[in-house]
Amino acid sequence: DTAVSQTPKYLVTQMGNDKSIKCEQNLGHDTMYWYKQDSKKFLKIMFSYNNKELIINETVPNRFSPKSPDKAHLNLHINSLELGDSAVYFCASSPTTGGPYEQYFGPGTRLTVT
Amino acid sequence: AQRVTQPEKLLSVFKGAPVELKCNYSYSGSPELFWYVQYSRQRLQLLLRHISRESIKGFTADLNKGETSFHLKKPFAQEEDSAMYYCALSGGGYNKLIFGAGTRLAVHP
Repeated sequence: DTAVSQTPKYLVTQMGNDKSIKCEQNLGHDTMYWYKQDSKKFLKIMFSYNNKELIINETVPNRFSPKSPDKAHLNLHINSLELGDSAVYFCASSPTTGGPYEQYFGPGTRLTVT
Repeated sequence: AQRVTQPEKLLSVFKGAPVELKCNYSYSGSPELFWYVQYSRQRLQLLLRHISRESIKGFTADLNKGETSFHLKKPFAQEEDSAMYYCALSGGGYNKLIFGAGTRLAVHP
């Protein structure tokens, strides 16, 4: 009955590869987010979707492409991985775009690029 | 520009001591401010938000618009309070959260 889940939990890959991280929420929320936490623990928003529509797109390299097949899922695909992409990626959800609403976070996916 | 500043990377105290984790913000409108906490090996979770003006686990935070601050306080720290604390600002629509760099609180026995 996990509220926000992410797979995989750990991802180790080589530079140049393409990888995806999946996120699912069972809270019935309309809005989902991707955050990146760097090695200094700094958290920064990357993207947000509301009802499958992209509403926040921060200054992120276009190698990163989010996809929301339905409002319960938000996946993150990363092309041509670079060393600097190593980080923990957190998915989150909230009831809707208004608010301010609490955001519910997933457990994170630790990506290591070698 | 919207910004959240947490000046301390690490705050180390002994059990029973008072704690104050500092947070300052920069925002041109009316900010909505939060404290999120990440305990070891757990996911990030909401601790408290300024609009509810409640006390959670003994922590309180008051929004001071004059000083643009939202410091988190607890009169007597417990070992289980050891965690990473993030101050966050919601602004600019779409419930977008802007986080500070975080402060690690270490409470020693």
